[in-house]
Amino acid sequence: DVKVTQSSRYLVKRTGEKVFLECVQDMDHENMFWYRQDPGLGLRLIYFSYDVKMKEKGDIPEGYSVSREKKERFSLILESASTNQTSMYLCASSLPPAGLAGGRETQYFGPGTRLLVL
Amino acid sequence: SQQGEEDPQALSIQEGENATMNCSYKTSINNLQWYRQNSGRGLVHLILIRSNEREKHSGRLRVTLDTSKKSSSLLITASRAADTASYFCATDAAIGGGADGLTFGKGTHLIIQP
Repeated sequence: DVKVTQSSRYLVKRTGEKVFLECVQDMDHENMFWYRQDPGLGLRLIYFSYDVKMKEKGDIPEGYSVSREKKERFSLILESASTNQTSMYLCASSLPPAGLAGGRETQYFGPGTRLLVL
Repeated sequence: SQQGEEDPQALSIQEGENATMNCSYKTSINNLQWYRQNSGRGLVHLILIRSNEREKHSGRLRVTLDTSKKSSSLLITASRAADTASYFCATDAAIGGGADGLTFGKGTHLIIQP
């Protein structure tokens, strides 16, 4: 079974702190993703990566950065946490699309990190 | 940007009944996926249906796809209390390549009453 783990289930931080959220997958997937989930807004893509050291902005990258130094690990960084970054953060991984015109494959999600910024 | 929209937003039925959720989307897709999320947890993949497929089954789940209407439905038969969860459709726009994420709807919250 694919396993995606996230470093913390719950996290409480103060405004201005630097926050690291870690995600590790054990299926040798090329693609990894970070989403945030908020009531009434659904899941929104923050950043994704399709290879080691590669990263691409998603829909809402402002205030976030990412790091992918190893294939299995994708980190989300909040450089200076703010209260509007209080949210549920979900990491996912997947295989790459099947061919140039192939669709996005199944994404495997971690359990989520619920972050509260005070 | 949101593409898939689930309907209804919430659904409450008795155990043993069937539950139907719908998803509409705006642009052409390569495939459409359904996911389930139990309260406070990550999403779990249920089923993927490609744009050239019309129907797919997996256990008690049946998914249909109508690309002419840009809509999909998820049917859960003989519902159980454990099916209580939020259900999301996720679309994969048929434009461009790369590894960008799926676009998720806001979900249908399903409650199964014992």
